[in-house]
Amino acid sequence: AQKVTQAQTEISVVEKEDVTLDCVYETRDTTYYLFWYKQPPSGELVFLIRRNSFDEQNEISGRYSWNFQKSTSSFNFTITASQVVDSAVYFCALSEAGTGGSYIPTFGRGTSLIVHP
Amino acid sequence: KAGVTQTPRYLIKTRGQQVTLSCSPISGHRSVSWYQQTPGQGLQFLFEYFSETQRNKGNFPGRFSGRQFSNSRSEMNVSTLELGDSALYLCASSLADQGIVNEQFFGPGTRLTVL
Repeated sequence: AQKVTQAQTEISVVEKEDVTLDCVYETRDTTYYLFWYKQPPSGELVFLIRRNSFDEQNEISGRYSWNFQKSTSSFNFTITASQVVDSAVYFCALSEAGTGGSYIPTFGRGTSLIVHP
Repeated sequence: KAGVTQTPRYLIKTRGQQVTLSCSPISGHRSVSWYQQTPGQGLQFLFEYFSETQRNKGNFPGRFSGRQFSNSRSEMNVSTLELGDSALYLCASSLADQGIVNEQFFGPGTRLTVL
C-alpha cells in the first residue's frame, strides 16, 4: 500500500494563480515526520518544510503555506500568487520510526507544477 | 559556504561492474544520506551515516553499501551492476543526527547509466 499519495501528477497554472498540492499519508505510528521538497529542472532537491506529528499548526512562509490535518491524514501545500520560478516537481515525504529507533523516509511520486507566464 | 558536492556527475558502466560514488557534505555537517531516484520507483532512501556509523537503512539489496570517513565525506558502492541500477543518486547532508528527519541539503546528484 502506498504510504504517501500525491494524486495530482501534473498541475498547470497561469502566473499569479494560487495552487494547492495535495498529500495524503498513511501510518500507524504516533510519532512521524512529514516533509515537502522541491525539485527544479536542475535536479537538486530543496527542503521546504518539516512537520512532526505532534504539531498540527499550519505554517506560512512568504507565498508558501502548509495545512497539516491529522484527522484526514493530509499535509497540503499551497503556493499563493504562483510565479514561473515555482515550476518544479514537488515531493511530499513521510518518515516513520523503524526498528531500533531508526527512521525510514517514504516519498510520494511527486506533483509536477508548471506555471505559465 | 560550499554546498554538497557529488562526484562524478555522470557515469556510464556496464552490467556486472561495480561503481563508487562520492559525496562531500557541507562543512560541519556530520549526517550524510543517500537516495536513488528512478522514473519507475521514484525517490527511495538508501541509507544514512552519522559520525561514520550507519544510522538508518532503506530496503535495498546488499549490493548497495556505503561508508563515511572521519571528515564526514561519504561514498556509496554498488557491486554487480544491473540495468535497473540506472538512476540519479542524490546525497544530502544535515547538521543533526537523524538527518533524515531534519533539514537536509542536497547535492546535484550523480547520473549513473548502466548498459
